[in-house]
Amino acid sequence: DVKVTQSSRYLVKRTGEKVFLECVQDMDHENMFWYRQDPGLGLRLIYFSYDVKMKEKGDIPEGYSVSREKKERFSLILESASTNQTSMYLCASTPQGFSSGANVLTFGAGSRLTVL
Amino acid sequence: TQLLEQSPQFLSIQEGENLTVYCNSSSVFSSLQWYRQEPGEGPVLLVTVVTGGEVKKLKRLTFQFGDARKDSSLHITAAQPGDTGLYLCAGTYNNNDMRFGAGTRLTVKP
Repeated sequence: DVKVTQSSRYLVKRTGEKVFLECVQDMDHENMFWYRQDPGLGLRLIYFSYDVKMKEKGDIPEGYSVSREKKERFSLILESASTNQTSMYLCASTPQGFSSGANVLTFGAGSRLTVL
Repeated sequence: TQLLEQSPQFLSIQEGENLTVYCNSSSVFSSLQWYRQEPGEGPVLLVTVVTGGEVKKLKRLTFQFGDARKDSSLHITAAQPGDTGLYLCAGTYNNNDMRFGAGTRLTVKP
């Protein structure tokens, strides 16, 4: 089974701190994604990457950046955390692009970030 | 703006009851997926539907894709406490844009 591992399950940070959220997948998937999940809003795409060193903005990229130096690792960076970034962050991967339901997202367990 | 509307947002029922969750959009999907998320975990895929009118069954769960591929439903028969969780629909549009609904939080009481 594909495994997507998010190293930090719970984090508490202060406003203005730099935050790194790490995600690793072990099945050689091409695409990786970062979502945030908030009650009543569902999952919203922050950034995605379809190849090493490639990145694309999602729906809510403001305040975030990403890094994909290796195929298996996709990092989400909050340069200066703010209280409105308190959320559940979910990493996911797929073998290739979405095409008539041919690929599905495999998610990590999530990283719950609280910014004080 | 949420392109996918899920209803109801919350549902609390007794063990043994039946329920239906709905997922609607004004746009046509090329495919639609249902995921289930348990507390402290990421969403896990339940099913993918692709063809208009398609019906898929997964034990006590029945998934239906609307004829026009703009809506879908999930029906659970004789709900069990183990069915408790957040049910998410995710639709992929023809431009490969994928959108999630806000989810239906189901609680099944013993």
